[in-house]
Amino acid sequence: AQRVTQPEKLLSVFKGAPVELKCNYSYSGSPELFWYVQYSRQRLQLLLRHISRESIKGFTADLNKGETSFHLKKPFAQEEDSAMYYCALTGATGNTPLVFGKGTRLSVIA
Amino acid sequence: DSGVTQTPKHLITATGQRVTLRCSPRSGDLSVYWYQQSLDQGLQFLIQYYNGEERAKGNILERFSAQQFPDLHSELNLSSLELGDSALYFCASSVQASGNTIYFGEGSWLTVV
Repeated sequence: AQRVTQPEKLLSVFKGAPVELKCNYSYSGSPELFWYVQYSRQRLQLLLRHISRESIKGFTADLNKGETSFHLKKPFAQEEDSAMYYCALTGATGNTPLVFGKGTRLSVIA
Repeated sequence: DSGVTQTPKHLITATGQRVTLRCSPRSGDLSVYWYQQSLDQGLQFLIQYYNGEERAKGNILERFSAQQFPDLHSELNLSSLELGDSALYFCASSVQASGNTIYFGEGSWLTVV
């Protein structure tokens, strides 16, 4: 069974400080990993998908299959980054719905 | 705007009642997903449909049911409502059944009183 673990419920950082939101996963097949962001209980928006290897709003994430991790990073946090961040996992094929971690609330302090 | 539309946006109903939440996927998307977001349980996957057929089932209660119609819109039916069913219900859609990005609607806020 697939599982996504986000160990931190809340992460507070100062503006301009680096940010790392942790995500670890468990999945027997070939995973597809995503980061979604949710501002103030609005709809979830796709932030990153690991296969696209792009940087959105200064965020990057690298899939580390050896450590089964997909941590989200940003070198300099901004106040507008304050939101709920969800890591999610699905399989490349087969009946694997997108499963989410419990989320990490990022609070950027001015 | 993700292109996924959900109605109603807000709903208040009494315990024991039944409600129907509606979702229209993005144009061209064949797969529809339902998620429940509550404060204590986080984001829980309920059920997925692909081109009219049930594809995957998650933590969906027996009091809940869903379907996807020929025009690909979906409905989530919640019956014998309890206070604990109060939550934000999200619909999402994607082109394929798995391994691709899913796009979320704005959600339907359900409050059971």
